[in-house]
Amino acid sequence: GAVVSQHPSRVICKSGTSVKIECRSLDFQATTMFWYRQFPKQSLMLMATSNEGSKATYEQGVEKDKFLINHASLTLSTLTVTSAHPEDSSFYICSARDYDGSPYNEQFFGPGTRLTVL
Amino acid sequence: KNEVEQSPQNLTAQEGEFITINCSYSVGISALHWLQQHPGGGIVSLFMLSSGKKKHGRLIATINIQEKHSSLHITASHPRDSAVYICAALHSNSGYALNFGKGTSLLVTP
Repeated sequence: GAVVSQHPSRVICKSGTSVKIECRSLDFQATTMFWYRQFPKQSLMLMATSNEGSKATYEQGVEKDKFLINHASLTLSTLTVTSAHPEDSSFYICSARDYDGSPYNEQFFGPGTRLTVL
Repeated sequence: KNEVEQSPQNLTAQEGEFITINCSYSVGISALHWLQQHPGGGIVSLFMLSSGKKKHGRLIATINIQEKHSSLHITASHPRDSAVYICAALHSNSGYALNFGKGTSLLVTP
């Protein structure tokens, strides 16, 4: 299947700093990328849907000013956690959908980024 | 919102056993994913199906659209199959984002 990478895989930061997470589709063009968050022993929760060249659509309860999403190209989306706090510590996963005109194409997942805020 | 329920929540099996994980959802869907998440966290897409049955190696996924139910089967299970298996529903009125079940944690013992 197609490959999606995330960088970094693990990050530890101090409270109040900002962290940027990159999600790249390596061998296909992704018009849509999704950002998920997963707390321990919990399922994935959708944070936002990112479409190339337009503003991201955030799920209810997700602060758009805190979780900045940029989808500048068909192969790259970034999630920036601004002014991170310990409660933002979580596992962040992106997925990307290949584009061939069909909205039902399979999603491919990145390996995830584990964020720890001290 | 499409509720996605999985059962069982936890499953322990001996190597070689046939395993079934069930998934039911509450509203009509466009497609359903079965995903595998290993302890490191990475997720692998196993299947995406919207009707019938798909097979890949020892894994088989089936879906019954009328009954709003899907199953994932693992034949001749092996300890390396130990992981969390997640079903996720895709429906058009969610912007094509996935709605996830809580996962089934599978442990296959030698």
